[in-house]
Amino acid sequence: DAKTTQPTSMDCAEGRAANLPCNHSTISGNEYVYWYRQIHSQGPQYIIHGLKNNETNEMASLIITEDRKSSTLILPHATLRDTAVYYCIALNTGKLIFGQGTTLQVKP
Amino acid sequence: GAVVSQHPSRVICKSGTSVKIECRSLDFQATTMFWYRQFPKQSLMLMATSNEGSKATYEQGVEKDKFLINHASLTLSTLTVTSAHPEDSSFYICSASPMPGPRIYNSPLHFGNGTRLTVT
Repeated sequence: DAKTTQPTSMDCAEGRAANLPCNHSTISGNEYVYWYRQIHSQGPQYIIHGLKNNETNEMASLIITEDRKSSTLILPHATLRDTAVYYCIALNTGKLIFGQGTTLQVKP
Repeated sequence: GAVVSQHPSRVICKSGTSVKIECRSLDFQATTMFWYRQFPKQSLMLMATSNEGSKATYEQGVEKDKFLINHASLTLSTLTVTSAHPEDSSFYICSASPMPGPRIYNSPLHFGNGTRLTVT
């Protein structure tokens, strides 16, 4: 699986959009980009995934660059409950291998 | 939505005893289940992949005789920590996929809420 690189931490003001970047420059053509988040002391929660096209669901949007070497997770209107560790994972072997993720702190 | 239930949520045991953790898929059949371990302030570490009806596949460095995994049905996988020691104290999390084979790549995994194991 391709290695992903994320900033260690980010802050976001409540009500504003949170844009979380992820670099996956060694991603191969059949590797999906998955995003999960983990709120303290809970199991990870699935957010969104994509292969080539941008994706949107009720939680977030995923923007994947045309060369697929990076992506951005967008939480359109962050709330305090979105404070969590966000993991970007490139998946092709069926196993989710978690990196260190980005700790997003949403502030009032 | 797909639900994965883990039991117990917390367990305290004495050193040398064994502890069993259950992972159930409540509304789907899980061909494949995964077990993770997470130490404080660290990320999740994959321990093993469990396939229904076959032996689990362990990640490098994980002792298969220490962490016994049984996936006897399409809705239940168990992890038994044998002869537990204080260094086994951790947060254990399972996940499950309803998709077999290559289709697993385009299908999100569903996670349980974890089991906090404390070995005294």
